[in-house]
Amino acid sequence: QQPVQSPQAVILREGEDAVINCSSSKALYSVHWYRQKHGEAPVFLMILLKGGEQKGHDKISASFNEKKQQSSLYLTASQLSYSGTYFCGTVTGANNLFFGTGTRLTVIP
Amino acid sequence: NAGVTQTPKFQVLKTGQSMTLQCAQDMNHNSMYWYRQDPGMGLRLIYYSASEGTTDKGEVPNGYNVSRLNKREFSLRLESAAPSQTSVYFCASASGRQNTEAFFGQGTRLTVV
Repeated sequence: QQPVQSPQAVILREGEDAVINCSSSKALYSVHWYRQKHGEAPVFLMILLKGGEQKGHDKISASFNEKKQQSSLYLTASQLSYSGTYFCGTVTGANNLFFGTGTRLTVIP
Repeated sequence: NAGVTQTPKFQVLKTGQSMTLQCAQDMNHNSMYWYRQDPGMGLRLIYYSASEGTTDKGEVPNGYNVSRLNKREFSLRLESAAPSQTSVYFCASASGRQNTEAFFGQGTRLTVV
């Protein structure tokens, strides 16, 4: 039930954009996005509840295609602080929450 | 406001030993989760509990047992530790309503030798 994320890793220069994709083999109730810094716990970024929903958080936004069982996270004009591992979390049933394998994002000056 | 508290933070076990990882939350959340994190594998769900008195298996439950002692506490037990259980374990909680986030504890780094 673990969702599949791509790419596994990406390196950006400050100011560049990135897209992280998440897909599930099961129908989704909702999609979560989290960021984890090295040695720390994952921290919540945003949650998407409805198909077609899009959300933004500063220069980080996400979309949810319920029909395709996919979500994408968009990072615009990346900053050094965006570095970390990004996880999508998918809810496929009552109160479960499965996470993907993660995407390691490195932003360099 | 402590949030989600895990104990211990670090533990070394010998193969075959048993131990219990403790997790407590003070946010009155209904849902609680246990994950393990291994390099390249992401966060894998071991067990979860939608409410006090209920538990369900996740993706990798073999070798583990859980107890939802009350609404606050959700423990993970390794009855006979194996080197393959060396990992970082995270506990998380959520209110149980669809539009709310999960909060994570700081993790337990477990090494089985």
